[in-house]
Amino acid sequence: LAKTTQPISMDSYEGQEVNITCSHNNIATNDYITWYQQFPSQGPRFIIQGYKTKVTNEVASLFIPADRKSSTLSLPRVSLSDTAVYYCLVGDTNAGKSTFGDGTTLTVKP
Amino acid sequence: DTAVSQTPKYLVTQMGNDKSIKCEQNLGHDTMYWYKQDSKKFLKIMFSYNNKELIINETVPNRFSPKSPDKAHLNLHINSLELGDSAVYFCASSRGLAGEPEQFFGPGTRLTVL
Repeated sequence: LAKTTQPISMDSYEGQEVNITCSHNNIATNDYITWYQQFPSQGPRFIIQGYKTKVTNEVASLFIPADRKSSTLSLPRVSLSDTAVYYCLVGDTNAGKSTFGDGTTLTVKP
Repeated sequence: DTAVSQTPKYLVTQMGNDKSIKCEQNLGHDTMYWYKQDSKKFLKIMFSYNNKELIINETVPNRFSPKSPDKAHLNLHINSLELGDSAVYFCASSRGLAGEPEQFFGPGTRLTVL
């Protein structure tokens, strides 16, 4: 299983762009990269998923370099409500296993 | 309607007891999971079922036994509860095979063993 490494915590201010990087040096060919968001007392919620290059949706962007050994979740113009834990998940769909990272606690300040 | 529901939301019990947590999903998904989240917020997969068949069984004590009566339900039974079992347990489901990136999580069950 591909192990993932994320910063433990990050601080930001409202209106700023936040980039959270996840390292996954042992990512396998079949692995997708997915990010989840978790608020206190709630289950994780899917944000975005990608395989390579760049993916963008209404919430975030995901940048994946050509070697796929890392990925960066980009949150544009964060607000206080974006304060949460963000998990990087690397999934081996063929083997049926996915590994959650340890999560990055993002704190957005006014 | 809640997509993935769990009962109970809170469970407080004594060491040595046996307890069950129920999970239901109304999304029509084929795969369901149980995760354990400890006090440090580490989220670890325990089990995964695809169409009522066990797909993933991580290193979990055999005191934990999942049961899937149909593909919409995956219950977790825990025998002889220990202090270290205290955690939040999340049920999740996904559309395809286990490992499908987009998983839908329930609200969690906070288990406290005294």
